[in-house]
Amino acid sequence: GAGVSQTPSNKVTEKGKYVELRCDPISGHTALYWYRQSLGQGPEFLIYFQGTGAADDSGLPNDRFFAVRPEGSVSTLKIQRTERGDSAVYLCASSLTGENTEAFFGQGTRLTVV
Amino acid sequence: AQKVTQAQTEISVVEKEDVTLDCVYETRDTTYYLFWYKQPPSGELVFLIRRNSFDEQNEISGRYSWNFQKSTSSFNFTITASQVVDSAVYFCALNQLGNTGKLIFGQGTTLQVKP
Repeated sequence: GAGVSQTPSNKVTEKGKYVELRCDPISGHTALYWYRQSLGQGPEFLIYFQGTGAADDSGLPNDRFFAVRPEGSVSTLKIQRTERGDSAVYLCASSLTGENTEAFFGQGTRLTVV
Repeated sequence: AQKVTQAQTEISVVEKEDVTLDCVYETRDTTYYLFWYKQPPSGELVFLIRRNSFDEQNEISGRYSWNFQKSTSSFNFTITASQVVDSAVYFCALNQLGNTGKLIFGQGTTLQVKP
């Protein structure tokens, strides 16, 4: 497709389980971002990829959160031992180069930990 | 530290009214970018505008206009003759020129336009 695609759109998981969230960026975009948006708040930065490497992971809240982008395209955000506080919408964005170019966002994955 | 404040949590107007959404930012950087995004109920953030810190000229795009005032660290957004389709959450965001491009978002303003 032409836009950023995120799957699944909704995910309900039990506390303590492992989850993976997938992001398929716009073709040719080298920069990819993950953000987390809690209810009633603005998105909060988690991690930034330039190509295959995580150039900035300063927003990851703790070591339960990990993300990969092995081929410089699709990215997976992985959350281990999920907690109820991890419930949020996880947004992915991509941009052409990352240097202040326009970022295009996906529709997000709504994660609910019960 | 960088911070964006959108003091208006919710605004409700009647169709055809003009409405201004406020955005105040904090940064120690001399070069930076400011953004506005729209988030309709579908959840996807839609880019509206990007403005760099060197360009204080106001911008108009159709019914949308933006007022950037460096002296007050504000980047306000006005919708003229609002329409029901303008109902959404609007976010102001900031990032540092030459940085990774990561955005610092405000808390958002929910705009409801009633027919």
